Amino acid sequence: GQQVMQIPQYQHVQEGEDFTTYCNSSTTLSNIQWYKQRPGGHPVFLIQLVKSGEVKKQKRLTFQFGEAKKNSSLHITATQTTDVGTYFCARDFGSSNTGKLIFGQGTTLQVKP
Amino acid sequence: EAGVAQSPRYKIIEKRQSVAFWCNPISGHATLYWYQQILGQGPKLLIQFQNNGVVDDSQLPKDRFSAERLKGVDSTLKIQPAKLEDSAVYLCASSSGGGLNLTFGAGSRLTVL
Repeated sequence: GQQVMQIPQYQHVQEGEDFTTYCNSSTTLSNIQWYKQRPGGHPVFLIQLVKSGEVKKQKRLTFQFGEAKKNSSLHITATQTTDVGTYFCARDFGSSNTGKLIFGQGTTLQVKP
Repeated sequence: EAGVAQSPRYKIIEKRQSVAFWCNPISGHATLYWYQQILGQGPKLLIQFQNNGVVDDSQLPKDRFSAERLKGVDSTLKIQPAKLEDSAVYLCASSSGGGLNLTFGAGSRLTVL
């Protein structure tokens, strides 16, 4: 019920290609957060989306929150080797920011130079 | 500012032994979390502290896991006795409040043989 599902689980791309990971929930989300975890590293907060249909950009990264607030996506334009890692979406247990997060299983991105 | 400090970074024990992990959050961060990350999965919340009080420990296996944050700063997570399925990275995270933009430590990797 409260889980978030991410697809794909793995993605291998050639450097310069685009990449997208999707996060889906069966229930309406109050917000969605995205984290990046480099190999052997720890999760690093990227962004939070709150509003229906919200789109936010960070350089080559574009984050979207669905109109129904049940899905989200992260798109990377022209991947670089520095983009390698696992990208997690996470929903909050509560109706607002409690920090009690339920993480998806992540999408692991490999970039071939 | 200094990040979230955790120790030890690595620990190997045999099943039924005990182990303790230590976390020092970012200075001034009132909220502290312990997450468990099994290989190939997203982090899973174990316990949340607000200052020195437990906010949520509903997902902590209390028959073997315990955690404390006596003075509202450092925290320890203990496992006794350990099982094979406890092999994971134990991540400590902190936030200044509001549960947004959690900062994770490097983690303590536990291997139970």
